[in-house]
Amino acid sequence: EDKVVQSPLSLVVHEGDTVTLNCSYEVTNFRSLLWYKQEKKAPTFLFMLTSSGIEKKSGRLSSILDKKELSSILNITATQTGDSAIYLCAMIKTSYDKVIFGPGTSLSVIP
Amino acid sequence: DTEVTQTPKHLVMGMTNKKSLKCEQHMGHRAMYWYKQKAKKPPELMFVYSYEKLSINESVPSRFSPECPNSSLLNLHLHALQPEDSALYLCASSQVDRSYEQYFGPGTRLTVT
Repeated sequence: EDKVVQSPLSLVVHEGDTVTLNCSYEVTNFRSLLWYKQEKKAPTFLFMLTSSGIEKKSGRLSSILDKKELSSILNITATQTGDSAIYLCAMIKTSYDKVIFGPGTSLSVIP
Repeated sequence: DTEVTQTPKHLVMGMTNKKSLKCEQHMGHRAMYWYKQKAKKPPELMFVYSYEKLSINESVPSRFSPECPNSSLLNLHLHALQPEDSALYLCASSQVDRSYEQYFGPGTRLTVT
């Protein structure tokens, strides 16, 4: 059965800290791994990773995929209170365009 | 305009009621999605429409009936729901060949009494 696992499930850090969120997956016909940020309600798209070892970067956020280890990390440097959210890892398969979400990591950044 | 709108924001309905959730986008996206999200859980895909045709139904009970009347609108008709159907219902849209980059609406918080 296809599965996406995230760790930790929740995390509390202080502003300015650097955090690393982990995602691992088991899936047949893997196409891409996705990261979304969910604040209050609607998830917003962060990154899509398809190739191993190529870092995607957006401001203080960066992510990389390791297809050998079937995993990905999302790094956030110099965290701010506005980074507080649930970070969802997801995958998309080649067979059809279904996004399968992991359980999410709830990040709280305190001043 | 990169917004997906959903109405209503909140809905309380009895188990014998019939109601509809509405979703609208004007980004020219031809793929639209319904997700169900329970508290502290990730979104779960319910339906996918591609070019206004239903392409994926994730074995959703027939008391949920989707409809895509045109390329900008997506409805979810609800009938004879159960209390366990109470959840946040999220609509999303994307370009058909960029299904990884979905734009989500704010959701409708549904409570079934």
